[in-house]
This record gives sequence, C-alpha cells and structure tokens, in this order.
Amino acid sequence: KQEVTQIPAALSVPEGENLVLNCSFTDSAIYNLQWFRQDPGKGLTSLLLIQSSQREQTSGRLNASLDKSSGRSTLYIAASQPGDSATYLCAVHFGNEKLTFGTGTRLTIIP
Amino acid sequence: DGGITQSPKYLFRKEGQNVTLSCEQNLNHDAMYWYRQDPGQGLRLIYYSQIVNDFQKGDIAEGYSVSREKKESFPLTVTSAQKNPTAFYLCASRRPGRGNTEAFFGQGTRLTVV
Repeated sequence: KQEVTQIPAALSVPEGENLVLNCSFTDSAIYNLQWFRQDPGKGLTSLLLIQSSQREQTSGRLNASLDKSSGRSTLYIAASQPGDSATYLCAVHFGNEKLTFGTGTRLTIIP
Repeated sequence: DGGITQSPKYLFRKEGQNVTLSCEQNLNHDAMYWYRQDPGQGLRLIYYSQIVNDFQKGDIAEGYSVSREKKESFPLTVTSAQKNPTAFYLCASRRPGRGNTEAFFGQGTRLTVV
C-alpha cells in the first residue's frame, strides 16, 4: 500500500532557528512530491514541488530535498519567523493520478 | 487572477438532505480532485476527474457523487447516504502527467450537519 508519513505531528521552535520537517513514503517509484502549507480553516498553499528526477528545490527560505531510494523528503526552513506557524503537508504523486497526503506537521514558532 | 474558487465557504445540512459544493477553476487544468479533511487527519480522496465527462472514485466515495460536464467545473454532491458528512472539503486541480504537475487548491468549504 502506498503511504505517506510525517513525523512529528507537532513541533515548536524558538524564532530565528533553522528547522527540518520530515516526510517518508513507501514506494520509490514516484512522479513527484509536493509540500504544502495550511493555515487554520484555510485551503492548501503550494510551497515547493520536486520532480522525481530532481534532488532539491529552493524558494526563498525554504529548501526541499528528495531521496527516492530511501523514501524520504525533508523541508528545511531557515531563520524561522512567527508567520511560519502553520501545518505543513507532504503529498506524493505515486504514478497514478492520485495525490497521497501525509497527516501533516503542525509547526509553532515561538516569538 | 487564476485560481480555484470553492463556494460556499460554510454550508449547513439538515439530516436527509443532499447538498452540492461548487468548485470552479480558470487554470485550464484537465485534472480535478475532491478531498475531505477531518480534524487531526490528512486529506482523503473522494473523487477525481482527469478529463471532461469522466471521473473515478477515490478512497472514500460512498455517499458522494460528482459530475464533470465542463473543464472548469467539478461539483460535489454530498448525499443523504453519507452518514458522517461534517468535515472540511477541499477541491484541487492540476495538469495531468508525470513531471511538473503542481496541484493547486481552493479555500475549502466547511460542511456541518445540523
């Protein structure tokens, strides 16, 4: 069964610190992986998409990496800010037309 | 602006009623999706459509129905057969394919049974 796991479910860090969010998946034959941000009561905002042929993508303070052989992706956030507080979701396109989501990591940045 | 519009933002349903959630996109995407989100859980796929006049069941399709008569529209009907419909519903779209197929989401509809 194709599954996506995000651990931990919640994370709190002081403002200014760098942090890493983790995503693992069960099948290495993926097409791409996408990271999203969700604020309470809102829809999902796309942050980064990594295609299967890529190892990382960067956007501003965000850097996402992909290691298909180990079934892992990380989202690195540099110099965290209170506005980064949200739930971060990882979604994998496993080679059919479905996107399979992890349950997310709820991030709190402490001022 | 290009994007996905879901309406209404909040919806209340009485027991035994059918209700329809709207999803419209102007991104010219062929593929559209409906997901359900419950507190503390990830997104679960209800239905998806890769092309007009065609759609497939996702993982939790029971009690739901969809139509895809136009490329830009993918409405979801929550029928009375859905026993626990209270949830946050999210619509998404993207280009089909394998590579740079970034998915975009609407702002969601919160459905509550009263």
